[in-house]
Amino acid sequence: DVKVTQSSRYLVKRTGEKVFLECVQDMDHENMFWYRQDPGLGLRLIYFSYDVKMKEKGDIPEGYSVSREKKERFSLILESASTNQTSMYLCAITTDNTEAFFGQGTRLTVV
Amino acid sequence: QQQVKQSPQSLIVQKGGISIINCAYENTAFDYFPWYQQFPGKGPALLIAIRPDVSEKKEGRFTISFNKSAKQFSLHIMDSQPGDSATYFCAASNTGFQKLVFGTGTRLLVSP
Repeated sequence: DVKVTQSSRYLVKRTGEKVFLECVQDMDHENMFWYRQDPGLGLRLIYFSYDVKMKEKGDIPEGYSVSREKKERFSLILESASTNQTSMYLCAITTDNTEAFFGQGTRLTVV
Repeated sequence: QQQVKQSPQSLIVQKGGISIINCAYENTAFDYFPWYQQFPGKGPALLIAIRPDVSEKKEGRFTISFNKSAKQFSLHIMDSQPGDSATYFCAASNTGFQKLVFGTGTRLLVSP
């Protein structure tokens, strides 16, 4: 089974802090994604990566950046956290048949 | 822009009833239409998926109906059970890009 692990289940950060969300996969999949999930808005794509050191903006990249130095690890970075970034963040990978496997999510609260 | 529109936002169904969730898409390049199920505290998991070369796919109590001309697809849950209570997301993608676009989700509650 594909395993996608997010480093934290819950995080509380202060406005203006730099925040790192980590995602690790246990297989050799190229494609990794970061989504945020908000009630009534579904899952919105923030950034994705097709390979090491490659990144593409999704639909809502403002206020975020990403890093992929190793194939198995994809990090989401909030350069200066704001209260409107309080959300559930989900990391995912896709397999060759396009099936997506998600991590358990990180619920981030910015105060 | 919302490329995949999902309705209803919430749904209450009695045990044994049929749950129906609808989605509509705009991009005719989409060629893969999955449904994901999410329980509280968990990430979404693939439930069932369809490609546009068929109009219906059934797996157990779950059926996807697909109407290519109308650009719509729906999830039917037959004999709904309390254990089906979850949030359901439709999605669509162009497999060449492997990037999924999700609907806004439907919170289903199956009452005992």
